[in-house]
Amino acid sequence: DAGVTQSPTHLIKTRGQQVTLRCSPKSGHDTVSWYQQALGQGPQFIFQYYEEEERQRGNFPDRFSGHQFPNYSSELNVNALLLGDSALYLCASSSTGLANYEQYFGPGTRLTVT
Amino acid sequence: AQKVTQAQTEISVVEKEDVTLDCVYETRDTTYYLFWYKQPPSGELVFLIRRNSFDEQNEISGRYSWNFQKSTSSFNFTITASQVVDSAVYFCALEGLGTSYGKLTFGQGTILTVHP
Repeated sequence: DAGVTQSPTHLIKTRGQQVTLRCSPKSGHDTVSWYQQALGQGPQFIFQYYEEEERQRGNFPDRFSGHQFPNYSSELNVNALLLGDSALYLCASSSTGLANYEQYFGPGTRLTVT
Repeated sequence: AQKVTQAQTEISVVEKEDVTLDCVYETRDTTYYLFWYKQPPSGELVFLIRRNSFDEQNEISGRYSWNFQKSTSSFNFTITASQVVDSAVYFCALEGLGTSYGKLTFGQGTILTVHP
């Protein structure tokens, strides 16, 4: 049973560029959340997708957008990259069923903006 | 607003010592979940426990135990007889089941180093 997978593992971009990160949820999960973790900090919630719609959003600017596909996989897009966007981006999946509520995290994508 | 505070930035112990990681939280929600996650050097967050706000029973799982005290808004985590493999960053997290449903609020993390 594959867990949460993310691609790519590492990415280097230049300021002003755009980036797309991808996430495939754990089998049986229908909800995907994205988190940003700066070095030495705890993860910060970006947003959550369920049924292809954004259900919850954290305090992130509109430069951060996302999408969920019918197969529940998800993308995180960041436009006009800033140096401060350098971080580990974590994807977490969960099921809306109460019996399996825990959010399972992927290995993350390390984004470096130069 | 929700907040999680892990006052200990770093803890260093010698193998076989017991260690307690502190977590204090703030929320206006009457129903909420508390979590602990472990983040080894590989970066992936590993789920350890979830506790419902209505369940104040302490829990033990092998060498791990958790003490939830609603009166002091604390959810502390103890590792008994620590091992080198326990070295990691540990995060406490909170999810309110009001407007913050689905959103985990994490503390800053505690870096635990267990020396042989």
